[in-house]
Amino acid sequence: RKEVEQDPGPFNVPEGATVAFNCTYSNSASQSFFWYRQDCRKEPKLLMSVYSSGNEDGRFTAQLNRASQYISLLIRDSKLSDSATYLCVVNGGYNNNDMRFGAGTRLTVKP
Amino acid sequence: GAVVSQHPSWVICKSGTSVKIECRSLDFQATTMFWYRQFPKQSLMLMATSNEGSKATYEQGVEKDKFLINHASLTLSTLTVTSAHPEDSSFYICSAEVPGQSTDTQYFGPGTRLTVL
Repeated sequence: RKEVEQDPGPFNVPEGATVAFNCTYSNSASQSFFWYRQDCRKEPKLLMSVYSSGNEDGRFTAQLNRASQYISLLIRDSKLSDSATYLCVVNGGYNNNDMRFGAGTRLTVKP
Repeated sequence: GAVVSQHPSWVICKSGTSVKIECRSLDFQATTMFWYRQFPKQSLMLMATSNEGSKATYEQGVEKDKFLINHASLTLSTLTVTSAHPEDSSFYICSAEVPGQSTDTQYFGPGTRLTVL
């Protein structure tokens, strides 16, 4: 079993749609959780950290369920510019530096 | 925000040559940097953790004699791919931890695309 698993995608949605990505992680000792965005042939950029209480940043909402070892990212009112690959990233739990990446979910927002 | 640079952004070399990639933190000091590799249509794979003033910690399956890492200062880590072969062609990305932040957030460099002929 992979340490971090994501919806395989791709997701193709129209502008204005709401889309949700899911991610599960295997190490219950993990402490930090993130969503990164990666554009084609570019480096990943931090989208948002994920906190236990859930957090929102504009059109983006992230949630964490520690009991189920599940993370989600919700994008509302999607824009063309949201088209990218979204990476779920989890601290490995063995030390703070041990980050594990999901394979990424490709999102394409169409006009 | 934290800025990490890499040089070169792309390199093409002949099989058997060595290639050095630099990773710099521009506006902060990074005691810990990370090197990742990304093959086409795949996610990032951590290769090694680079610690300033000490030896790098390599992930299982990564040859330390082939991928030499040096973190000689608080703002610079280098990755040298020795005797590169076509299978080493990949996108190499470094990242750095920003000290003082409450979570272990990493900021990534722009990446180096290596093509070995």
